[in-house]
Amino acid sequence: DSGVTQTPKHLITATGQRVTLRCSPRSGDLSVYWYQQSLDQGLQFLIQYYNGEERAKGNILERFSAQQFPDLHSELNLSSLELGDSALYFCASSVSGYNEQFFGPGTRLTVL
Amino acid sequence: GQNIDQPTEMTATEGAIVQINCTYQTSGFNGLFWYQQHAGEAPTFLSYNVLDGLEEKGRFSSFLSRSKGYSYLLLKELQMKDSASYLCAVANDYKLSFGAGTTVTVRA
Repeated sequence: DSGVTQTPKHLITATGQRVTLRCSPRSGDLSVYWYQQSLDQGLQFLIQYYNGEERAKGNILERFSAQQFPDLHSELNLSSLELGDSALYFCASSVSGYNEQFFGPGTRLTVL
Repeated sequence: GQNIDQPTEMTATEGAIVQINCTYQTSGFNGLFWYQQHAGEAPTFLSYNVLDGLEEKGRFSSFLSRSKGYSYLLLKELQMKDSASYLCAVANDYKLSFGAGTTVTVRA
């Protein structure tokens, strides 16, 4: 158990819908990262927050957005969902920037 | 941009040694990570190299040569539980770019 929690574990929804994925970092970690992992694209960095502020952006679509709240938990919002958004979404946390990242168990999103 | 290459698959026998190579071409470099990922599970941290040289941690060692854009992960005394995907990742400006992963299969 890494100490990072993610909810829900599984999510099945339809195209065009909107979902919210939730992540709670390890106690004491200020950085939260979001990743998408699909079979054909591997693990892709989406976005990073540090102490409530966006710090780095990767291959995140405009239909996706995220935020980190004052209690340091983070949410990833995915809207206008497409079949290709079906993937495993991981959240990770670390103390700051270039430290070891601890990954949560992931949320498996299936878009039908 | 980032370009990170590692072999797709490797097979080895229990008790043997396997070396997984990773070459990278990135616009910036703040360190190289190795993660292990079992199928359907989250990646777990194995090692971090920011300076050239060898870092040893139990049965796992990782090497980095920044001038060559090259790293390897060495797994010694292979066990069946080491069958997993091994991901090489390069840190640059707070972003972590992952290679596609090397699937290692350990045979009895």
